Amino acid sequence: KQEVTQIPAALSVPEGENLVLNCSFTDSAIYNLQWFRQDPGKGLTSLLLIQSSQREQTSGRLNASLDKSSGRSTLYIAASQPGDSATYLCAVRPASGGSYIPTFGRGTSLIVHP
Amino acid sequence: AAGVIQSPRHLIKEKRETATLKCYPIPRHDTVYWYQQGPGQDPQFLISFYEKMQSDKGSIPDRFSAQQFSDYHSELNMSSLELGDSALYFCASSFEQGAWYGYTFGSGTRLTVV
Repeated sequence: KQEVTQIPAALSVPEGENLVLNCSFTDSAIYNLQWFRQDPGKGLTSLLLIQSSQREQTSGRLNASLDKSSGRSTLYIAASQPGDSATYLCAVRPASGGSYIPTFGRGTSLIVHP
Repeated sequence: AAGVIQSPRHLIKEKRETATLKCYPIPRHDTVYWYQQGPGQDPQFLISFYEKMQSDKGSIPDRFSAQQFSDYHSELNMSSLELGDSALYFCASSFEQGAWYGYTFGSGTRLTVV
């Protein structure tokens, strides 16, 4: 059974810092990995989607990398801002087993203070 | 661009009552997923539908049922509600035929059972 772990569970940083959020998964047979942002009590907003054949994806100040063989993905946030405060979740979609339901990590709760 | 629409946004029910949550996927998306998210928890997969047929089943209680209609909207029916059913319920949709662009989540329905 796929297990997804996100480290750290919580992070509090001053504005302007560059951040790295980690996501690790136990089964490397994945179809893709998706990073989401969730504001308190709100829905999940897709940030970046990395297909299994890709190594990284970039969107603005966000860069996500994928090392499928080692079961790791990182989300890099450059020049963090208070508006980046949210919970960041990664979700892994399996490539085999007949099911394509993604497995979520528990998320990293990020606070960026001015 | 159209997003995944969920209704209602908030719902308060008493124990043992029933509740119906609705989800309208992105047009032309052929797959709908339901997730339950408790406070501080990662989203837990409940059930999914592909082309109006149930495709996968997760940790959905027997008291819950769901279906997808001819217009692709989906409803999650919850009976004999318990206090522990209080959670945020998300619907997501995706297009599984051809190129795959990830999941799009709705804003969720917050169910409170009192």
